[in-house]
Amino acid sequence: EAGVAQSPRYKIIEKRQSVAFWCNPISGHATLYWYQQILGQGPKLLIQFQNNGVVDDSQLPKDRFSAERLKGVDSTLKIQPAKLEDSAVYLCASSLLVSPKATEAFFGQGTRLTVV
Amino acid sequence: TQLLEQSPQFLSIQEGENLTVYCNSSSVFSSLQWYRQEPGEGPVLLVTVVTGGEVKKLKRLTFQFGDARKDSSLHITAAQPGDTGLYLCAGGRNYGQNFVFGPGTRLSVLP
Repeated sequence: EAGVAQSPRYKIIEKRQSVAFWCNPISGHATLYWYQQILGQGPKLLIQFQNNGVVDDSQLPKDRFSAERLKGVDSTLKIQPAKLEDSAVYLCASSLLVSPKATEAFFGQGTRLTVV
Repeated sequence: TQLLEQSPQFLSIQEGENLTVYCNSSSVFSSLQWYRQEPGEGPVLLVTVVTGGEVKKLKRLTFQFGDARKDSSLHITAAQPGDTGLYLCAGGRNYGQNFVFGPGTRLSVLP
């Protein structure tokens, strides 16, 4: 079974430029997440989709970050304009409900963004 | 404010030693998961626990969910260099529909 695919793997941009990341989840997974992982920290949820609807975007900096999941499959995360503090690994995950209480998430390899 | 705390932050041990890492919170979670993340890769799920007091074993790894479903521990027996990585715990909320991650314990097992 193919895993979660992300691209690009690496991106270096100057501050105030824009950047976009792409994610293709595991087939059949209705829930998709974007996480930001700053070096030395655990992943922080940016946005969660259920099919093509947003479930939680409370920690998404909406003045500069946007995300969409058209047709409930692939997703893109955009940053415009980028700031130095946006340097991080951006992880995409998709999940499957395994019991009434538990969802198991599968992560892509991430996109390492460096803003200079 | 960190919803989940993990300790220790860093741990460096010799091959063959045993170790325990901890995940603590003041919040109750519907489930708790442990992931291992290697450099340049995304986290990989190790285990999911959902019942207070639950113990799960995965080869040399033993996971326990606290009775009150607020904390968890991961015990590794006879650690090997292949166990090196960042161990993350994640608490499930909203009936497990989303997660909050702890900051991780970075483990280094020296040959």
